[in-house]
Amino acid sequence: AQSVTQPDIHITVSEGASLELRCNYSYGATPYLFWYVQSPGQGLQLLLKYFSGDTLVQGIKGFEAEFKRSQSSFNLRKPSVHWSDAAEYFCAVVGNNDMRFGAGTRLTVKP
Amino acid sequence: DTEVTQTPKHLVMGMTNKKSLKCEQHMGHRAMYWYKQKAKKPPELMFVYSYEKLSINESVPSRFSPECPNSSLLNLHLHALQPEDSALYLCASSQDNRGGNQPQHFGDGTRLSIL
Repeated sequence: AQSVTQPDIHITVSEGASLELRCNYSYGATPYLFWYVQSPGQGLQLLLKYFSGDTLVQGIKGFEAEFKRSQSSFNLRKPSVHWSDAAEYFCAVVGNNDMRFGAGTRLTVKP
Repeated sequence: DTEVTQTPKHLVMGMTNKKSLKCEQHMGHRAMYWYKQKAKKPPELMFVYSYEKLSINESVPSRFSPECPNSSLLNLHLHALQPEDSALYLCASSQDNRGGNQPQHFGDGTRLSIL
């Protein structure tokens, strides 16, 4: 079965600094990969997705992610973090038609 | 605002009560999902409906009973819940779930507390 690992439980960055959140997946075939963000008390919002083709995908809110098959990774990046980016971020993989989430990374943004 | 609407936003119930959570989408999606999310944890899949038929039940206790009256609506009927069932219940929908490449759209959830 497919699975996702997010190695960082909590990351703190300063506002304006760059951000990279790590995601490693396990799946035998080409995976469908997603990043979602969840603010407190809200549902999950899709940031971006990867199915095939260009390995660098652009998402909403200035986020991008790069699919690296050789490293089984799909890391999320943003060049300059805003205070409003503070939230929980989930990487997810779909295989066999059901979605599995990583444990999540909580992002704190310092002024 | 999300395109998947869940009601109520908050629900407090006793262990002997019967209540229902409701989810509605008007995006023409044919797959709908129920997830359970405990604090500081990722969502856990409970049920999947595909074209109004139950396609996945992740060994969920029978005190949770899903229902899909039509392609736009998804209910979760609750009966004799336990305190450990207190959680955020999320509904999601996708165009379908036959290809795996359809992103899921989530509602804001129902915060359920069992007394």
